[in-house]
Amino acid sequence: AQSVTQPDIHITVSEGASLELRCNYSYGATPYLFWYVQSPGQGLQLLLKYFSGDTLVQGIKGFEAEFKRSQSSFNLRKPSVHWSDAAEYFCAVGAGTGGFKTIFGAGTRLFVKA
Amino acid sequence: GAGVSQSPRYKVAKRGQDVALRCDPISGHVSLFWYQQALGQGPEFLTYFQNEAQLDKSGLPSDRFFAERPEGSVSTLKIQRTQQEDSAVYLCASSLFSAGEETQYFGPGTRLLVL
Repeated sequence: AQSVTQPDIHITVSEGASLELRCNYSYGATPYLFWYVQSPGQGLQLLLKYFSGDTLVQGIKGFEAEFKRSQSSFNLRKPSVHWSDAAEYFCAVGAGTGGFKTIFGAGTRLFVKA
Repeated sequence: GAGVSQSPRYKVAKRGQDVALRCDPISGHVSLFWYQQALGQGPEFLTYFQNEAQLDKSGLPSDRFFAERPEGSVSTLKIQRTQQEDSAVYLCASSLFSAGEETQYFGPGTRLLVL
């Protein structure tokens, strides 16, 4: 069965430090992969997605992610974290026929300290 | 332009009551999705519409859950005989085209509390 694992429930980083959030997926075919951010009082917002081509994907707000088929991973990175990046981050995979059944990980809560 | 809207934003129901949650997708969007997000968890897929056709309802937890999109725009998620385990945030999303890689735009959600 398709699944998404985010091993870190929460992560704390200092403002200005680099960030990497881990995501591993289980899916037989080439997946559609997504990272979403959810801030308190705001809806889920897409940061970036991968479905083909270059395995390094650039997104909004300075985020990027790299698809590594051999490791079944799609880790999210940012070189320098801002306090406003504090939020919940969800990795997701598009599964099922056509990839419409989006399966989300449990999320990683990011805390940013001054 | 207007995003995805959902109503009500909050709903308190007594166990056993029926509830109806509404989703207004972005105008012209073909695809519409419903998700259930329990506290501290990621969203879980419930169902998917392409226009008025419900193409996947494999995520609906029980036959108490029913979704419709009769005219291919507004959608309603109905929960009959609510149970405490139904307490969650119900998210609706829409996308312009019918393709798995399409960006889904999420609404703010309806927070349902069943007492």
